[in-house]
Amino acid sequence: AQSVTQLGSHVSVSEGALVLLRCNYSSSVPPYLFWYVQYPNQGLQLLLKYTTGATLVKGINGFEAEFKKSETSFHLTKPSAHMSDAAEYFCAVSDLGYGGSQGNLIFGKGTKLSVKP
Amino acid sequence: GAGVSQSPRYKVAKRGQDVALRCDPISGHVSLFWYQQALGQGPEFLTYFQNEAQLDKSGLPSDRFFAERPEGSVSTLKIQRTQQEDSAVYLCASRTVVTSSPLHFGNGTRLTVT
Repeated sequence: AQSVTQLGSHVSVSEGALVLLRCNYSSSVPPYLFWYVQYPNQGLQLLLKYTTGATLVKGINGFEAEFKKSETSFHLTKPSAHMSDAAEYFCAVSDLGYGGSQGNLIFGKGTKLSVKP
Repeated sequence: GAGVSQSPRYKVAKRGQDVALRCDPISGHVSLFWYQQALGQGPEFLTYFQNEAQLDKSGLPSDRFFAERPEGSVSTLKIQRTQQEDSAVYLCASRTVVTSSPLHFGNGTRLTVT
């Protein structure tokens, strides 16, 4: 079975500060990992994904994440927060790397990011 | 179409009423998922279609929930005899036949059962 744990339901940073949102996963097969962002009253938008290959992946809006197998982690970072980054962020895992997978996503509970001026 | 379209955006139902939520996926997307997102939680899987075939309905919480996609395009999620615990945002997502391609989500339907 697969699961995702996001540490911290709410993170607050100042504009221009580093953003770090934590995600740990559990998977019995090689995981595919995703970060999605959700703005109020909207659906989820893909920020970035890790499938295979390079463990540091870059996404949209200046975000990046690093897959660390030894730590079962996939933390999301951004060097300098912008007011427009305020939203809820979801980490997700999939068994896509497993033959016959339908590619369903298992989501964490989300981390709400606030950015102070 | 430009994206996944869901209707209505908001639905208020009295307990015991039946509701139908519509999802219009991106044209040509073979795979379609429904998720339920309770307040303060992440989305949870309900059901999965590949074309018109419902291949996985293991996430449907009770037999009051029913989903269909008769022509392999538009999908409807129906909830019979709604209960307060059904209050949530229902998200639809679609994807091409390539399983590693990303899921595209609609804006969801917020269901409130009073």
